[in-house]
Amino acid sequence: AQKVTQAQTEISVVEKEDVTLDCVYETRDTTYYLFWYKQPPSGELVFLIRRNSFDEQNEISGRYSWNFQKSTSSFNFTITASQVVDSAVYFCALSEGGGADGLTFGKGTHLIIQP
Amino acid sequence: NAGVTQTPKFRVLKTGQSMTLLCAQDMNHEYMYWYRQDPGMGLRLIHYSVGEGTTAKGEVPDGYNVSRLKKQNFLLGLESAAPSQTSVYFCASSASNTRRVNEQFFGPGTRLTVL
Repeated sequence: AQKVTQAQTEISVVEKEDVTLDCVYETRDTTYYLFWYKQPPSGELVFLIRRNSFDEQNEISGRYSWNFQKSTSSFNFTITASQVVDSAVYFCALSEGGGADGLTFGKGTHLIIQP
Repeated sequence: NAGVTQTPKFRVLKTGQSMTLLCAQDMNHEYMYWYRQDPGMGLRLIHYSVGEGTTAKGEVPDGYNVSRLKKQNFLLGLESAAPSQTSVYFCASSASNTRRVNEQFFGPGTRLTVL
């Protein structure tokens, strides 16, 4: 069965610090997709990134970067020079195979950026 | 485009009452999903549908029923609400073509309280 573990329940940093959110996954499939979503205090879910199991290239988007390592089954998310607006709950999620049967989410990491 | 919409946004029920949550999407997506979000638990899949007239159980289906009579709508029913069903319910949809598979678009959520 698939599983996603976000061991960090809550992280608090001061603005402008770099912060990394950890995500470890378990799956038996060779084809799978990994995601990160952001849930700001307003409650909506915002899609950040999708990565498939055949693409281990790291990705950078502005202050955000993602490190995918199949050897350690991890898909970590780093925010560089954090800002107060980054305060949110961040979810890592996994979808196996063709992906029609939904996402398995981690329990989320609550990130607090203090001014 | 409205994307994914959910009706209602908030609802309070008494134990034993029934209700239906409506999810609508205008993106012509094949796949639709219902999740529930509880504190510290992340999102868990209740039911999903891969096309009009088809539904399937997710991780936590007990106490819920669903219907997909029209491609754009996905209904979630609670026949006899219980306090354990107090949660925030999210609907999502995604396309079924290869390039866009698995990127799920989420509705704003419905906050349900069962007294």
